[in-house]
Order: sequence, then C-alpha cells, then structure tokens
Amino acid sequence: GQNIDQPTEMTATEGAIVQINCTYQTSGFNGLFWYQQHAGEAPTFLSYNVLDGLEEKGRFSSFLSRSKGYSYLLLKELQMKDSASYLCAVMDRLTGGGNKLTFGTGTQLKVEL
Amino acid sequence: NAGVTQTPKFRILKIGQSMTLQCTQDMNHNYMYWYRQDPGMGLKLIYYSVGAGITDKGEVPNGYNVSRSTTEDFPLRLELAAPSQTSVYFCATQDLSEYEQYFGPGTRLTVT
Repeated sequence: GQNIDQPTEMTATEGAIVQINCTYQTSGFNGLFWYQQHAGEAPTFLSYNVLDGLEEKGRFSSFLSRSKGYSYLLLKELQMKDSASYLCAVMDRLTGGGNKLTFGTGTQLKVEL
Repeated sequence: NAGVTQTPKFRILKIGQSMTLQCTQDMNHNYMYWYRQDPGMGLKLIYYSVGAGITDKGEVPNGYNVSRSTTEDFPLRLELAAPSQTSVYFCATQDLSEYEQYFGPGTRLTVT
C-alpha cells in the first residue's frame, strides 16, 4: 500500500528557516516531489529527488533518504508569500506507462511577521 | 503557449445530472492525468492516458469516464453526479522524457 505522512500545520516567522518533514511507505518508488499549493490554485513544482542527498535550488532545498523512507523540504529566508500548503508526493511507474503521483495530505505553512 | 487549460472553473450540479470537465494542453505531452482533491486531502488519481486512444483507471475511477481522441484533449465525464464527487479536479500533463507533471488551474465542482 501507499502511505505518506507529513505534519498538518506549521507556523514560522518571516526571515527564518523552516523544515517540513515527509515519511513514506510505498510499494514502488521512482522519485519524490515537493509541490507548493496556494489556496484555490493548482500545485506548482518545487523539487524532485530520486537519489539520496540534498538538492538545492535558491531558497528551497530538498533532502531524500530512500533507506529511511524520509524526505524534508527546507525553506530559508521565509517570506510572507511562502504561506501555502506544501505537498509531498511519491512517483511510481504505472503498468500501462506513465507515472502515478501519490500525495500526502499537505502541510499548511503560515508565515508570520 | 497556454500550457494546460481547464473549463469550467466552477460548476454546481444537482444529484443525478451529468457533465464533462474539459482539459486541453498545447505542450504536445503524451501523458495526461485527472486527479481530484478533497478538502484537506492530497490529490488522488482518477484516470490517466499515455497517448491518443489509450486510457486506464487510476486509484478512484468509479463514477467517471474518460476519452482521449487527440493528443491535446482529455475530457472527464461524470454520468450520474453524486455528493461524494464534490471536489476540486485537476488535469495534469507530462512529457515522455521528463519527470515533472504540469497541472491545470482546476475545476471546483459542487454536487447538491
């Protein structure tokens, strides 16, 4: 089966650093994604990890440990516009081709002054 | 280059009515997907297509049908709307050689 866990809510201060954790137990694995979703909008791609280690992209970094079934998203120099839901998703290949994304329920991040 | 477009943006249906949610892409991507997102939940895969003429069921296909007659279009059909189908529906596309899925803006559907 597929199970992805992440905290429901987090609050952080503008300018600070926040780490959002994600643990997963899935029958297949072809990579882990982080998406950002503002209220009423579509998810937008933040990062993709398929190998262990840290991927850095500007203020955002994502880490993966496949042996532990664990990932985190690190957001630095928080801005008010970073207030959003952050979705952890595991990709697996579909039998007919294509790739299925299994999503966690999302972590609602609130950035305060 | 519009990317992925979905119509309508919002719709209210009565129980038992039918409707088609439209999804069109101009990115020439082979793979297309339909997801639904219930409040406070992650997205769940309804149906997907790996190319024109080929569709298959995802995780939650009951109550829905799809077709893929062209590369660009992937409509989702609800035949007998039920309150359990109240959700936000997202269409997504993916290129054969890429890992990223690109999402449309979504259709917010309420069934009462």
